[in-house]
Formats: sequence, structure tokens, C-alpha cells
Amino acid sequence: DAGVIQSPRHEVTEMGQEVTLRCKPISGHNSLFWYRQTMMRGLELLIYFNNNVPIDDSGMPEDRFSAKMPNASFSTLKIQPSEPRDSAVYFCASKLNQGGHNQPQHFGDGTRLSIL
Amino acid sequence: DAKTTQPNSMESNEEEPVHLPCNHSTISGTDYIHWYRQLPSQGPEYVIHGLTSNVNNRMASLAIAEDRKSSTLILHRATLRDAAVYYCILRADSGNTPLVFGKGTRLSVIA
Repeated sequence: DAGVIQSPRHEVTEMGQEVTLRCKPISGHNSLFWYRQTMMRGLELLIYFNNNVPIDDSGMPEDRFSAKMPNASFSTLKIQPSEPRDSAVYFCASKLNQGGHNQPQHFGDGTRLSIL
Repeated sequence: DAKTTQPNSMESNEEEPVHLPCNHSTISGTDYIHWYRQLPSQGPEYVIHGLTSNVNNRMASLAIAEDRKSSTLILHRATLRDAAVYYCILRADSGNTPLVFGKGTRLSVIA
């Protein structure tokens, strides 16, 4: 049973470059979440989608960040232009929304992003 | 969101039981108590959740105080693989909102 798949696992790039992070949720899941984790701020929610529609993007730091979910099996998080302070581990998670509390969120292994 | 309070860190010997506490004095009647853990270099993973009654699964047990203002995650026999950050999170009844993570408890397991 494939879990949430994120790519790349590691990305090192220079400031000013565009960065695209990718996520494939678990098949059949209809909610998708992007989180960012740093030592200083811990795990923060950036944005989440229900049925491919963005519901809450209030956690997106600024206009340099954008996220899309063109279909139920794929999402991207883009940073343009990137800055050193964007360095963090970015996690994607998915969940089956059946209107109940019993469904856990399943996380990918994250993308470790370093902006030089 | 109702707030949870956990110790920053705890230590346990291997093969011993571990009791990880969580205070949530402002919990509402419809909030569920969820526990997740994050192993090194991995994303968080679900451990257990409950509402009022104590819960058991293959990973752990969850003991919930009668007034629901606190709960305890119990690992019956800690192994080195249980070393992780453990997060106690309250979630509304609908379960449709994202998880909001605090700082959690970093558990160290000593061989």
C-alpha cells in the first residue's frame, strides 16, 4: 500500500531560483495538506485542499509561495523566487474525509529544502 | 483551537513502560484527543485517538482523565525504535480540519 509520495527528497538551490515540490496523495484520499517544519517554528500548516479545492491558505508565508492541486492524485508547492529563510522540511499529508473523526492524516517523508 | 501542554522531553529505559502526559484544560465536549509521533527524518505518524474512554491499539494505550482535562499516552514496553517526538493534539468532532501541532515531547530511550 503506497503511502504519500513526495519528491524530491532533497533539494539544494541558490536563492532567487524557482523551487517546485511535488506530492502524490494516497489513492482515494480527498484532503491534502502542506506543512513546513523548522527548528524555530516547528510544524506549521501552509495550505490545505478538500476535493482539489484550496480551503485555507492563511498559513502561506507570502506571495512567493503558491500551491496547486490540478487533480486528485497530484499537488505542487512552488516558491518563486526562493530565499534562504525558506530552508526547511516540507511535508505533504493526505486524509480521507468522510465527515468523521476517525480518519488519520498520513504524512509523506518530506522534502528537505536548502536555499543557499 | 484548544491548547495542549506537554513536557519538552522525557527519558525511558528500554523495555520499561513509558507514560507521556498531556494537559488540555480548555478541551471542549466535542474535541477528540489525538496522538501522533515523528521518528527522526520521517513525517509524523498516527498513534491513537479517543474521546472519553480509554483506548488500546497495537501501538499504545490512551488513558483519558474522567474530567477530560488531561490524558496519558502509554507505551507498554519502550524500544529504541520508539524514540521520537510525541504530539498530543485536540481535534474537533468533525475531523475535517487539519492537525495543528505544538512542540510535543521528545522521548529518548536508553538501551
